[in-house]
Amino acid sequence: NAGVTQTPKFQVLKTGQSMTLQCAQDMNHEYMSWYRQDPGMGLRLIHYSVGAGITDQGEVPNGYNVSRSTTEDFPLRLLSAAPSQTSVYFCASRDRVAKNIQYFGAGTRLSVL
Amino acid sequence: GQQLNQSPQSMFIQEGEDVSMNCTSSSIFNTWLWYKQDPGEGPVLLIALYKAGELTSNGRLTAQFGITRKDSFLNISASIPSDVGIYFCAGQPYSGAGSYQLTFGKGTKLSVIP
Repeated sequence: NAGVTQTPKFQVLKTGQSMTLQCAQDMNHEYMSWYRQDPGMGLRLIHYSVGAGITDQGEVPNGYNVSRSTTEDFPLRLLSAAPSQTSVYFCASRDRVAKNIQYFGAGTRLSVL
Repeated sequence: GQQLNQSPQSMFIQEGEDVSMNCTSSSIFNTWLWYKQDPGEGPVLLIALYKAGELTSNGRLTAQFGITRKDSFLNISASIPSDVGIYFCAGQPYSGAGSYQLTFGKGTKLSVIP
């Protein structure tokens, strides 16, 4: 059982470049979300989705875009990377009957130079 | 938005000692979750709490849902080196049907000295 799979694990970008962080889950979960983790800041919600075709902004959405065309996939796009987006990104998924338990991927470590 | 205060921010303890950490909220929560994050990995769920006053154990870990619904604590007994990591609390605010957001504390970084 793969759970939540994130790719790539590591990425280095130059300022202004764009890229997509991939997230896939094989648990048929309706809810998926993206967080960023920075030292001393905990986990901050970027965007989330309550089902295919439905997305909404979290706490820190600026500079990021998401879409949810299938239940399984929830990619996160960086439109024009900035050094402030250097962080560790986590994707998570949850089933609405799973009593709020979120399952996390292993993370993508992104550096923007 | 919701605020979760998690303390302490970091701890250095001797192997074999007990550990206690807690989270407090400015508002009522209906779910408390405790996660552990190993270096280079994503958070993994340790314990989930759903009722005020609930006390739940998972091996050497024990967590409680505060009776005011605004706090929770996690205890680790007889710590071992593999307990090293960052521990996060997370809460689901009390709200109506369709609520989704989890709020996370900033984490407690635990170091165990052999």
